[in-house]
Amino acid sequence: ETGVTQSPTHLIKTRGQQVTLRCSSQSGHNTVSWYQQALGQGPQFIFQYYREEENGRGNFPPRFSGLQFPNYSSELNVNALELDDSALYLCASSSKGGTGSYNEQFFGPGTRLTVL
Amino acid sequence: QQQVKQSPQSLIVQKGGISIINCAYENTAFDYFPWYQQFPGKGPALLIAIRPDVSEKKEGRFTISFNKSAKQFSLHIMDSQPGDSATYFCAASKSNAGKSTFGDGTTLTVKP
Repeated sequence: ETGVTQSPTHLIKTRGQQVTLRCSSQSGHNTVSWYQQALGQGPQFIFQYYREEENGRGNFPPRFSGLQFPNYSSELNVNALELDDSALYLCASSSKGGTGSYNEQFFGPGTRLTVL
Repeated sequence: QQQVKQSPQSLIVQKGGISIINCAYENTAFDYFPWYQQFPGKGPALLIAIRPDVSEKKEGRFTISFNKSAKQFSLHIMDSQPGDSATYFCAASKSNAGKSTFGDGTTLTVKP
């Protein structure tokens, strides 16, 4: 059983550019959540995808968007990058059962994004 | 609006001592309260979690105490070891939906 993987590990972009981060969920998981973790802070929920549909969103502007693919892997896209977007971006996968309950979420190692 | 407040920000404990980290939440709809451990360069890993129908849960050296009326919960690490040195986050969510609200973290240093 493979865990949650993310790519790339590190990324440097300039202000105004666009970036795509990728996440492969753990085997058997159908739900992916994305978090932004600024230096010295706890992760902040960006959005969640369940079966290729957005299933909840945190307090982030529309320039943060995502996708989930049929194999449950996911992408996070950020347009018009700002300096404050510099952070560790974490993805977490979990499994939503038939009763609507969720199992625990497992985090990937994150992608460190630096915006200059 | 920060819905989960965590304290202290940093903690230094001697090997063998007890580490205690506290969290308070505001949203009474939260019903799942996990603690995560994060090492540098790694994502958070679930340590232990509790639901509000119990007041305490123990797993090995780790114990969560939960006070529903005060909307507070805490992590106790017994017999703290240098390998426990990490950042600890409390979190809260509804039905473990994966849309967790995190505290700002506590950096624990266990001195040998």
